Amino acid sequence: AQSVAQPEDQVNVAEGNPLTVKCTYSVSGNPYLFWYVQYPNRGLQFLLKYITGDNLVKGSYGFEAEFNKSQTSFHLKKPSALVSDSALYFCAVRDRGDSWGKLQFGAGTQVVVTP
Amino acid sequence: DSGVTQTPKHLITATGQRVTLRCSPRSGDLSVYWYQQSLDQGLQFLIQYYNGEERAKGNILERFSAQQFPDLHSELNLSSLELGDSALYFCASSDGTGGRYGYTFGSGTRLTVV
Repeated sequence: AQSVAQPEDQVNVAEGNPLTVKCTYSVSGNPYLFWYVQYPNRGLQFLLKYITGDNLVKGSYGFEAEFNKSQTSFHLKKPSALVSDSALYFCAVRDRGDSWGKLQFGAGTQVVVTP
Repeated sequence: DSGVTQTPKHLITATGQRVTLRCSPRSGDLSVYWYQQSLDQGLQFLIQYYNGEERAKGNILERFSAQQFPDLHSELNLSSLELGDSALYFCASSDGTGGRYGYTFGSGTRLTVV
């Protein structure tokens, strides 16, 4: 079984400050990890993924995430947040060894960036 | 435009009725996934199809069914609708790896049951 935890329902940050959205995961094997963002009344948009290789993954819109196997975490970060980053962020995991395994999504974290 | 097309965008219907949601995957993608997003349940996986065959099933109610056609578009049928079925229904597609590298999502169908 696989699961994802996003411990914060909401993250509040001032524009220009660093933004971190936390994610921890559980899979029986090795993971594929993903971050998606959802703006109001829109579908989920892909931000970045960890498949293999470097633990630091760079994605769209200046976001990056660090894969930490020992802590089973994949936190999303942005050095300087923008008001336009306000949205709902989802972490997702998939077991690499499961050919037809679905992406398991976390509950989502609402990010609010204030001017 | 993600390349995944969902119709209709909005649907309002009465309890007890039946509706069909349609999804056209991104060109070249063989897998289609259906998710339900509601305020209290988050993003729930319903069902996955790959090249016309069902591959994985999640928390899909018996009142719900889906299929993927030879042209790879998919339909999600919801019957005997209840107020609690009101939600955003998303379709996503992926390539022949079965979603190993992530999904592409459509913009969703917002279903309101009154």
